[in-house]
Amino acid sequence: GAVVSQHPSRVICKSGTSVKIECRSLDFQATTMFWYRQFPKQSLMLMATSNEGSKATYEQGVEKDKFLINHASLTLSTLTVTSAHPEDSSFYICSASGQTNNEQFFGPGTRLTVL
Amino acid sequence: RKEVEQDPGPFNVPEGATVAFNCTYSNSASQSFFWYRQDCRKEPKLLMSVYSSGNEDGRFTAQLNRASQYISLLIRDSKLSDSATYLCVVNSGYALNFGKGTSLLVTP
Repeated sequence: GAVVSQHPSRVICKSGTSVKIECRSLDFQATTMFWYRQFPKQSLMLMATSNEGSKATYEQGVEKDKFLINHASLTLSTLTVTSAHPEDSSFYICSASGQTNNEQFFGPGTRLTVL
Repeated sequence: RKEVEQDPGPFNVPEGATVAFNCTYSNSASQSFFWYRQDCRKEPKLLMSVYSSGNEDGRFTAQLNRASQYISLLIRDSKLSDSATYLCVVNSGYALNFGKGTSLLVTP
């Protein structure tokens, strides 16, 4: 299957700082990338969908000014958590799908801890 | 009502047992259905798609009942390595909707 990477895999930061998470499709062109968040013992919740070169579509309840998404190329999307607070601590997972089918390939996730 | 509902478990079964997970979904217009496996602190990985006619992949059998909006996963001859959380996933358009998952622990 296709490979999606995320960086960093784990980040610990102080409250009020901003954190950028990168999601890369390594061996295919991802026309669409998805950002999910998963709290302990909860399901993955879709935060936003981004198509290369256009603005991300955010799910209800997700603040677009707090979670900045950039999908500047067909292989890279970034999620920036601005002014992070402890309640933003979570497991953030991206996925990517290409042009040939709608299957989503997941990155390994980024565990964010805000102190 | 949540879009995808699963029994969270945990299911504790001995090696070699057969175990079944169930899932219901609320959107009757849903088009595609999947079972994913998620290990602790890892990303979900696609286990198998679920087709209307039912499908089998080795020890795993998936069934879909569109009329009842019900999906099942059967694991036969369970192995220790099957211990994980199994996520029922429904695609209702552009996005995947995940259940909370059912936790399985296979013991020696």
